[in-house]
Amino acid sequence: DVKVTQSSRYLVKRTGEKVFLECVQDMDHENMFWYRQDPGLGLRLIYFSYDVKMKEKGDIPEGYSVSREKKERFSLILESASTNQTSMYLCASSFGQGNGNTIYFGEGSWLTVV
Amino acid sequence: QKEVEQNSGPLSVPEGAIASLNCTYSDRGSQSFFWYRQYSGKSPELIMFIYSNGDKEDGRFTAQLNKASQYVSLLIRDSQPSDSATYLCAVGSGGYNKLIFGAGTRLAVHP
Repeated sequence: DVKVTQSSRYLVKRTGEKVFLECVQDMDHENMFWYRQDPGLGLRLIYFSYDVKMKEKGDIPEGYSVSREKKERFSLILESASTNQTSMYLCASSFGQGNGNTIYFGEGSWLTVV
Repeated sequence: QKEVEQNSGPLSVPEGAIASLNCTYSDRGSQSFFWYRQYSGKSPELIMFIYSNGDKEDGRFTAQLNKASQYVSLLIRDSQPSDSATYLCAVGSGGYNKLIFGAGTRLAVHP
């Protein structure tokens, strides 16, 4: 079974703090994604990576950065957390370059910024 | 901006009935379409995918695709209370298996 693990499930951070969300997948997938999910807005893509050290912006990259130093690990960084970044963050992974392969989600990280 | 639209619901159906969930998308070039189920507080799980026009059946689930109308639907036969969840429609976009998601339709199946 594919496993995508998000190490932090529930976090509470203060405005202005630097926040790291970590994600690890065990299926040697090339592609990894960070989405955020908000009520009424669905899942929105923040960043994705198609290879080690390669990254591309998604639809809502502002206020976020990412790091992928190893194939299995993809980190989302909030340089200076703000209250509007309170959300559920979902990491996902997949293989291949097309559009037809399944993406697998982690269990989600619930972030509250106060 | 490429968009995927779903009615937010809730869609309420009695146990044993057919639930029909609908989705429209804006990118006429889209080729792959997915339905995910998400229980409250959980991550999405894939139910079905469809690439070709027509119907695709898997157990109690049938996905229907009409590319000319840019319309995807999911039918759930013999609905069960355990089917109560939010159903997310997703469309492949831009390669690397990136998906654009709709906001989801909440389904409530009552006994």
